[in-house]
Amino acid sequence: QQQVKQSPQSLIVQKGGISIINCAYENTAFDYFPWYQQFPGKGPALLIAIRPDVSEKKEGRFTISFNKSAKQFSLHIMDSQPGDSATYFCAATSNNAGNMLTFGGGTRLMVKP
Amino acid sequence: DAGITQSPRHKVTETGTPVTLRCHQTENHRYMYWYRQDPGHGLRLIHYSYGVKDTDKGEVSDGYSVSRSKTEDFLLTLESATSSQTSVYFCAISRKPDEKLFFGSGTQLSVL
Repeated sequence: QQQVKQSPQSLIVQKGGISIINCAYENTAFDYFPWYQQFPGKGPALLIAIRPDVSEKKEGRFTISFNKSAKQFSLHIMDSQPGDSATYFCAATSNNAGNMLTFGGGTRLMVKP
Repeated sequence: DAGITQSPRHKVTETGTPVTLRCHQTENHRYMYWYRQDPGHGLRLIHYSYGVKDTDKGEVSDGYSVSRSKTEDFLLTLESATSSQTSVYFCAISRKPDEKLFFGSGTQLSVL
């Protein structure tokens, strides 16, 4: 079963718009929630991450919003640019020994000029 | 890609043949991972290692084995490749499981 569900699978946004990708998780022990960005032909790279002691984290145009009670977290990309076109993966893990990252299914974002 | 080299980058093989993929790191990170990436499934963990000769199964380990005889090398073996193992395989490294993962550039494997 997929412990981290990501939506939408694909997203088209106009340049300058806001891109929003959502993830929901089941395991209440998860305490680390990163987002990875992947360009075609490349491996994923860490974009931004959050721990549940805060409800929001912002780095430049990228913001993670975290709702612990709803077991949901989302990535917001403000002022989306064509260079943001990539596949985005949310993930989650817990600090317990032996727990590895569980990834969502991915969202393919296209930002139109 | 953060001192991670995957080889080969592309491979085409036939059903039933053994295949070994190699991951080499120069970062001296303790943890190494093998993921497969398939459309709609994201990245799924196959096996991981937390030290030399210390390995454990991930979510989709059936049909795969791994070995880590040196800190820098992590091998993934498909003993008898099947068409369902056609995928893009990524190696990743990290200092700890809940810290940043660094990914290699991937190996595109086609099993015909």
